[in-house]
Amino acid sequence: QKEVEQNSGPLSVPEGAIASLNCTYSDRGSQSFFWYRQYSGKSPELIMSIYSNGDKEDGRFTAQLNKASQYVSLLIRDSQPSDSATYLCAVNAVRSGGSNYKLTFGKGTLLTVNP
Amino acid sequence: NAGVTQTPKFRILKIGQSMTLQCTQDMNHNYMYWYRQDPGMGLKLIYYSVGAGITDKGEVPNGYNVSRSTTEDFPLRLELAAPSQTSVYFCASMLALSGELFFGEGSRLTVL
Repeated sequence: QKEVEQNSGPLSVPEGAIASLNCTYSDRGSQSFFWYRQYSGKSPELIMSIYSNGDKEDGRFTAQLNKASQYVSLLIRDSQPSDSATYLCAVNAVRSGGSNYKLTFGKGTLLTVNP
Repeated sequence: NAGVTQTPKFRILKIGQSMTLQCTQDMNHNYMYWYRQDPGMGLKLIYYSVGAGITDKGEVPNGYNVSRSTTEDFPLRLELAAPSQTSVYFCASMLALSGELFFGEGSRLTVL
């Protein structure tokens, strides 16, 4: 059973702080890693993808991947109240002879940014 | 640009009734998915399709059926509704190999 684990939270940070969201995965063959943001009552939307070990930055967001530790994280710098949402980690494992077409999601971490 | 459209947005069913959740996408994506989301439980894959005429089970397929007769449409059928099927259902599509899912707005289903 492929699993994706996230800190359940909730995580509360003051405005302007760095929010750190963590995710671990069980399938060592996983190839692609994603962070989705979901506002309350809305559908998820992709905010970051990462495929190689190291850091990937996009504006205030940085995704970090360590395949040896089976760990992926999302840092949000200068957190804003508008960042308050549930953040879902998703992992895509490539099966032998298959293609990249299924994502396994974690349960999500609820982030609250306090003004 | 409509993207992924789901209907209905809300529905209340009685135990034992059946219904179909409709999903259509206009992005010409090959891959389509149905997820359910229970409070605090993330997204669980019900069924998916890699192209017209091809479907496969996900993690939680029991009590559901799907068909994929065209690239655009991927309806989800609930047979003999049970209270355990009370959930929010999301349809999504993906351009092959991208890993980026485009979600519909969701369908909130209550079974009483």
